[in-house]
Amino acid sequence: KNEVEQSPQNLTAQEGEFITINCSYSVGISALHWLQQHPGGGIVSLFMLSSGKKKHGRLIATINIQEKHSSLHITASHPRDSAVYICAVARIQGAQKLVFGQGTRLTINP
Amino acid sequence: GAGVSQSPSNKVTEKGKDVELRCDPISGHTALYWYRQSLGQGLEFLIYFQGNSAPDKSGLPSDRFSAERTGGSVSTLTIQRTQQEDSAVYLCASSSLGTSGRRDEQYFGPGTRLTVT
Repeated sequence: KNEVEQSPQNLTAQEGEFITINCSYSVGISALHWLQQHPGGGIVSLFMLSSGKKKHGRLIATINIQEKHSSLHITASHPRDSAVYICAVARIQGAQKLVFGQGTRLTINP
Repeated sequence: GAGVSQSPSNKVTEKGKDVELRCDPISGHTALYWYRQSLGQGLEFLIYFQGNSAPDKSGLPSDRFSAERTGGSVSTLTIQRTQQEDSAVYLCASSSLGTSGRRDEQYFGPGTRLTVT
């Protein structure tokens, strides 16, 4: 079993819909990252969080340390949000080297 | 300011040849990471540098892989006697220590796409 599991693996939605991507992990962590990878391959860090909730524009990330679970939400989704979203964790003893989920491929149709 | 840069952006090489991939981290970032993303697979950690400490090489898949970081800045990942299974996108990331003393978020470079024929 992977240390980091994401769901769903693929998600297709219509423009304007509220999107939720989930991430569960099985190890003790010092931080959890949400990353975005566009078709060209470049990776952008969206959030790094260790507790609670963070918001940036239409993106919201939450984490529940006790339940070892995080969610990434996108409000008022837009076709430009189409990308692969990757959850990654830094193990407590891992010097921040990341362990990655398999990613969620999101497609937003106009 | 300038982000993490990597070169070359694409590299095609013949099986058995050696390749060098370069990463220029963000100025002042003390931590540097190499990751690999193979076709159809997720990202995996390769090696981590922190200041002058010995690097964490625990993710390197074989002894054909090595990396160095000169002067605490530029890093080079070298793959000797390349094999077809080495074909992947190689990503570099860097980070700094936050004000709390904890590692800050990682900033990723654009990657080098390596194809071994």
